[in-house]
Amino acid sequence: DVKVTQSSRYLVKRTGEKVFLECVQDMDHENMFWYRQDPGLGLRLIYFSYDVKMKEKGDIPEGYSVSREKKERFSLILESASTNQTSMYLCASSGGQQNTEAFFGQGTRLTVV
Amino acid sequence: QQPVQSPQAVILREGEDAVINCSSSKALYSVHWYRQKHGEAPVFLMILLKGGEQKGHEKISASFNEKKQQSSLYLTASQLSYSGTYFCGTALIQGAQKLVFGQGTRLTINP
Repeated sequence: DVKVTQSSRYLVKRTGEKVFLECVQDMDHENMFWYRQDPGLGLRLIYFSYDVKMKEKGDIPEGYSVSREKKERFSLILESASTNQTSMYLCASSGGQQNTEAFFGQGTRLTVV
Repeated sequence: QQPVQSPQAVILREGEDAVINCSSSKALYSVHWYRQKHGEAPVFLMILLKGGEQKGHEKISASFNEKKQQSSLYLTASQLSYSGTYFCGTALIQGAQKLVFGQGTRLTINP
């Protein structure tokens, strides 16, 4: 069974903290994604990685950074968490070909207080 | 850069048909469709590629008009299990699968 695993389902952090969200996939996929999901706004792309150490900004990268040191792991970093970053975060992965589906993790509900 | 979906929400009775539209201001290479049930991860339905034909999956099918940068998802004789939020995802260029999603369409099927 293919899997994308996010390290936490629920996370509560304080304003100003540095926050790490981890995502691991076991499908040897080249592409990995971080999305943010908010009501009425859909899935907004934060960052995209198409290879180890390679990354590309999405539509809303401000306040976030990413790290991909190994093919299977893609980390999202909130350098200094703010209350407006309270959201559901979804990680996804897909193979290198254009016509392959993306697999999603279960999501991390982050609350910044 | 997000594609635009319409309608934002639709309520149907079981057995009725629905159409969900997805449009982009940019030329598209592929369109993906996913369904997300409440509290769950989005699940893949189908992909349509530039130059490809209409695709189908049971009673759910989709089309892709490359000239208009539009795709439509057709749900016929809807079942209760079709309820959820539908997302279209778009990729702009061949060889790179940077997938950008729309804001979603919430579909409710009532008995």
